[in-house]
Amino acid sequence: SAVISQKPSRDICQRGTSLTIQCQVDSQVTMMFWYRQQPGQSLTLIATANQGSEATYESGFVIDKFPISRPNLTFSTLTVSNMSPEDSSIYLCSVTSGGDTGELFFGEGSRLTVL
Amino acid sequence: QQQVKQSPQSLIVQKGGISIINCAYENTAFDYFPWYQQFPGKGPALLIAIRPDVSEKKEGRFTISFNKSAKQFSLHIMDSQPGDSATYFCAPGTYKYIFGTGTRLKVLA
Repeated sequence: SAVISQKPSRDICQRGTSLTIQCQVDSQVTMMFWYRQQPGQSLTLIATANQGSEATYESGFVIDKFPISRPNLTFSTLTVSNMSPEDSSIYLCSVTSGGDTGELFFGEGSRLTVL
Repeated sequence: QQQVKQSPQSLIVQKGGISIINCAYENTAFDYFPWYQQFPGKGPALLIAIRPDVSEKKEGRFTISFNKSAKQFSLHIMDSQPGDSATYFCAPGTYKYIFGTGTRLKVLA
């Protein structure tokens, strides 16, 4: 299993600013995923972040808007840039434990409100 | 992103009843078929999962059935309890996982 801590747990931001979300895992993991979950909705995969390589973004998400860093095997950051109210959402960091199982472990997420 | 559709969107079941949630996917390369349970304010947590080499898996009150030819799999919750009230997501994939549209389950006491 893996325990994930995210910071901040919630924040209120002004339009046009940027916010960086941190994700810390209690064990070394190869793959980390960033998801977005709008209130009452499903999870949408933003990008996959592997240590030592550029993040791979899903359709509809671009690096300029959501830059990701993955400096080591236990840590990643997601920045939401030039925020608008449409970016108000819960951002979730996730990892797999590796091996034969594809189980995803999630933190409690970072709830972002943009005014 | 590839479509993963769940049905129903919401479900109300009496305590002790059976809850059935279905998931339909498009990508035949998927090789991991999980169901996640999410409570308000929490991240999703794995409930049960299946690989495509078996058609059914049971863990306690939870059963997952897999129909490869129909590209569908389902979650059955037997003897549903009020504590099962949550949102359920399927999330099939290979090395990355696409979440379904979600099913909000309410079990009445």
